[in-house]
Parts: sequence; C-alpha cells; structure tokens
Amino acid sequence: EAGVAQSPRYKIIEKRQSVAFWCNPISGHATLYWYQQILGQGPKLLIQFQNNGVVDDSQLPKDRFSAERLKGVDSTLKIQPAKLEDSAVYLCASSPTTSGTYEQYFGPGTRLTVT
Amino acid sequence: AQSVSQHNHHVILSEAASLELGCNYSYGGTVNLFWYVQYPGQHLQLLLKYFSGDPLVKGIKGFEAEFIKSKFSFNLRKPSVQWSDTAEYFCAVTSAYSGAGSYQLTFGKGTKLSVIP
Repeated sequence: EAGVAQSPRYKIIEKRQSVAFWCNPISGHATLYWYQQILGQGPKLLIQFQNNGVVDDSQLPKDRFSAERLKGVDSTLKIQPAKLEDSAVYLCASSPTTSGTYEQYFGPGTRLTVT
Repeated sequence: AQSVSQHNHHVILSEAASLELGCNYSYGGTVNLFWYVQYPGQHLQLLLKYFSGDPLVKGIKGFEAEFIKSKFSFNLRKPSVQWSDTAEYFCAVTSAYSGAGSYQLTFGKGTKLSVIP
C-alpha cells in the first residue's frame, strides 16, 4: 500500500513570500491532517479534514495560513506571507476515519526554511 | 487543554542496556495513548497504542508501555536496546472524545535516543 505522499521535500523562501505544500493521503483515508513541527518540538496540529470538510482548524493562523481539500482526496497548505517563525517541517497525515482509536499515517514532511 | 510531557530530551545508552522513557499527560478524562518513533531519515510511525483493557501494551520491535492512570503516565520500555533503536520517540495523547468529531492528537516534545554499539 502506498504511503502518504508530500511535495516538495524541501523549500527555501524569503520572508513575505508565499509557499504551498501538497499532500496525497493513503487511498481510502477519509481524514487528513496537517501538522507543523518546529525544531526541538513535537508536531502540532494545524488543521484536520474529514473528506473535504474542515473538522478542526482551531490552531491554524488564519491570517496567513490556508488549506483546502477540494475533492476529498489530496490537499494543499499555503502560507502567505511567510514569516521567519514559520520555518519548520510541515507534516501531512491521514487515517481511515476521525476516530481517536485509529493510527495516523505520516508522510515524509516538507522542510521549510524562511530567510 | 491536554498536554504531554516527556522528561528526557536526549538519552544515550550502550547496546543491551534497558530503556525507560517517561511520558506524562494532563487530561482528566478518558484518553487514547500512543508512542510514535522516527528513525533517522524516515517518517513518523506508530510504535504502540493504548485504548482500553490491559494497561501493559506491547508494540513492535520488543517495545512495551504501561499505562498508570493514577500517575497520568504512559512510560515506554525495552529490556535490551539495539543500535537500530537509535531514533526520536514521541508520546502522544488524544481524548476519547473531544466533540465535533475532532480527536486532536497532542504530542510531547520527543526524546532522542542514541544507542552506542
């Protein structure tokens, strides 16, 4: 079974520029998550989708971050404009449903450096 | 809000030594508990999980964890580590129900384990 795919793997941008990340979850997984992992910390949930609807975006900085999952499959996360503190690894994960008992499967992440 | 504390930032052990990584969480209700591992250059992957029943759970590669409800702890153990266990280990918790269909997984800061051959 193919895992969670993410691209690009690395991105370097200057502050105030915009950037977009792409994620393709495991086939058939209804729930998709975006996490931000700052160096030295654990992943922090940014947004959770169930199919193409947002379930939880309480920790998403909505003034600069946006995410969509239009057809209930792949998803994009955008930052506009980027700040220095956005430097982090952005992880995408998926699971069969929203149930807390299901394992989340993680992608390789996109390492963003903002200069 | 729930939170997770991992007491050790970096643990260095020799091969065959025993391992115990501490994890405490703060949430008063029923929880689901996880340990994830990230080997160098690889994705985060599930090591083991606890939802209910026997508080001693066994995972992959000889790891186990014990849920002690009275101590809000879920410590990870392995009797004899190998060089291949070198990785970063994350404890995570989700409430059994957080409303609106959202089961937010909250991670600790992680513990880096280095095993010396």
